Amino acid sequence: QIILKESGPTLVKPTQTLTLTCTFSGFSLSSSGVGVGWIRQPPGKALEWLALIYWDDDKRYSPSLKSRLTITKDTSKNQVVLTMTNMDPVDTGTYYCAHRGTSSGFQNWFDPWGQGTLVTVSS
Amino acid sequence: DIQMTQSPSSLSASVGDRVTITCRASQSISSHLNWYQQKPGKAPKLLIYTASSLQSGVPSRFSGSGSGTDFTLTISSLQREDFATYYCQQSYSGPYTFGQGTKLEIK
Repeated sequence: QIILKESGPTLVKPTQTLTLTCTFSGFSLSSSGVGVGWIRQPPGKALEWLALIYWDDDKRYSPSLKSRLTITKDTSKNQVVLTMTNMDPVDTGTYYCAHRGTSSGFQNWFDPWGQGTLVTVSS
Repeated sequence: DIQMTQSPSSLSASVGDRVTITCRASQSISSHLNWYQQKPGKAPKLLIYTASSLQSGVPSRFSGSGSGTDFTLTISSLQREDFATYYCQQSYSGPYTFGQGTKLEIK
């Protein structure tokens, strides 16, 4: 059974850096084809894909946020970390990590997802 | 970026109804389209991948079709637990954009 869980601060101030950790079980991020992504959702709004890291340390970012995002993995700890710099109130929302739903090909769908963590950006 | 547009944005239906939700891509994405269901306060759940493949454990009343730019999610006979928000997502190329969502409400 694959399980993912996000952790990190619930409140950050504008201009601060957000660091979120995704701790997972049920798969290894050193296995070929495996990936973990981050997706966020502002309150009452749609989902927005942020970043994805693959088993071989290949990384993909949303172009609109690329300058602010860094995704890393710690295979020994079964963790993926997302950092987002220069936080703004518009970055308020629920942040999800999710398992790449396939280990073959180039497509990226996400299954399952973690429960999400709500981050509020406010002074 | 590939833009994904869902219609309608909201929909009222009754238990037992057949419901169709449409997703249109701003360019051809072949069959690289996925559907998720999200209930209030919960994480999204994968229903359909590559346009028409039913994820394991998902009831067979859910089905997906389409290719190129136009896709549909159909629920053949609505059950009470199906009232939720549905999102499409393209996996053709990054960034892996989502539609704006379709909220399915009880009539």
